[in-house]
Amino acid sequence: EPEVTQTPSHQVTQMGQEVILRCVPISNHLYFYWYRQILGQKVEFLVSFYNNEISEKSEIFDDQFSVERPDGSNFTLKIRSTKLEDSAMYFCASSSPPGRNQPQHFGDGTRLSIL
Amino acid sequence: SQKIEQNSEALNIQEGKTATLTCNYTNYSPAYLQWYRQDPGRGPVFLLLIRENEKEKRKERLKVTFDTTLKQSLFHITASQPADSATYLCALDKTGGGADGLTFGKGTHLIIQP
Repeated sequence: EPEVTQTPSHQVTQMGQEVILRCVPISNHLYFYWYRQILGQKVEFLVSFYNNEISEKSEIFDDQFSVERPDGSNFTLKIRSTKLEDSAMYFCASSSPPGRNQPQHFGDGTRLSIL
Repeated sequence: SQKIEQNSEALNIQEGKTATLTCNYTNYSPAYLQWYRQDPGRGPVFLLLIRENEKEKRKERLKVTFDTTLKQSLFHITASQPADSATYLCALDKTGGGADGLTFGKGTHLIIQP
């Protein structure tokens, strides 16, 4: 069964550094998402992306964050200047058209640790 | 503000019994509701989706109900097995366009005891 893959599985970075988290969504999906989960807390929506632009973003997704689909297969989340509170699991998800009313397929996440 | 509550942080059930998990929401009128399973260190895995005009949905041993008047969904696992032990997440859509982000509850940690 097709799956969403995320790399790296674990990223350790010094505070203030930039990080890029990578995702390969399911190939025929058109809607892409990033979520985060701080340890022991709920999964929180960050951003959704469709047709090469952001569809929706949450309050968490401030100017430090950006997303990109640099080619036909990858979907990336960049955090420009990391803070301690950015430490969390980051999940990428994708869904097939029409987006709404469709299941979202999640990767197994990147654990981001900010030192 | 919008709020989703799931009934308890941990639920212990004897193997073979039916587990019932609750999801309540306020200040929301979702078009659909989804249930996911999450194992430790893994991403959520989709289980079932139910639309606002559907009362009940089934898939094998799983059953979901959706009461938009009570603003509540119930998730049932019948003939529960130790392998069903996991955290179960309720998720609601946001109103708006095609690529809606989901709002998740904190989840119920289900433990099926042999």
